[in-house]
Amino acid sequence: AQTVTQSQPEMSVQEAETVTLSCTYDTSESDYYLFWYKQPPSRQMILVIRQEAYKQQNATENRFSVNFQKAAKSFSLKISDSQLGDAAMYFCAYRSARSSDKLIFGTGTRLQVFP
Amino acid sequence: GAGVSQSPSNKVTEKGKDVELRCDPISGHTALYWYRQSLGQGLEFLIYFQGNSAPDKSGLPSDRFSAERTGGSVSTLTIQRTQQEDSAVYLCASSRTSGGPGETQYFGPGTRLLVL
Repeated sequence: AQTVTQSQPEMSVQEAETVTLSCTYDTSESDYYLFWYKQPPSRQMILVIRQEAYKQQNATENRFSVNFQKAAKSFSLKISDSQLGDAAMYFCAYRSARSSDKLIFGTGTRLQVFP
Repeated sequence: GAGVSQSPSNKVTEKGKDVELRCDPISGHTALYWYRQSLGQGLEFLIYFQGNSAPDKSGLPSDRFSAERTGGSVSTLTIQRTQQEDSAVYLCASSRTSGGPGETQYFGPGTRLLVL
């Protein structure tokens, strides 16, 4: 069975600085998708970025980028120029390319942003 | 509507009572998912619908949990004889199709259930 591990329960960053959130996963599959979701206090899960495992190029979305290391099964999220609105819980998630489409989530990292 | 909606937003119930949680997916989305988020935990998959059928209900924790979807739209998650360990946030998500595993799942705001 696939698992997703986020080893940092909490992280903090100064406004305008850069922070990296870690995620590792375990799978025997070669084709899959990886996601980072943001959950602010409103509870609404918002997709931040996604990565297809067959793509070697790291995904980027404005200030958000990932470092995808397939051999190491690592998928970290880098947030550049951090803003106060980035404060939230961040969840890493895995989705098999073969099975039932469900997302498998890590336990999350709470990010605090200080002015 | 513009997004996934869920009702009620919050629900407090007594142990042993039944509760129904409702999810309205984005119009036209054929795939619908229920997840549970317990305090300090990540999201745990419960059940997945494609149209009105549920090809994967492997995440339902016990036979007290059931879900249905009618008309390919609204879904109801029912918890019978609630227990204190059922207290959690129940999140619903929908996507346009399940044909592509990379298809984005859009989440609702969740229902916070508290069983006293």
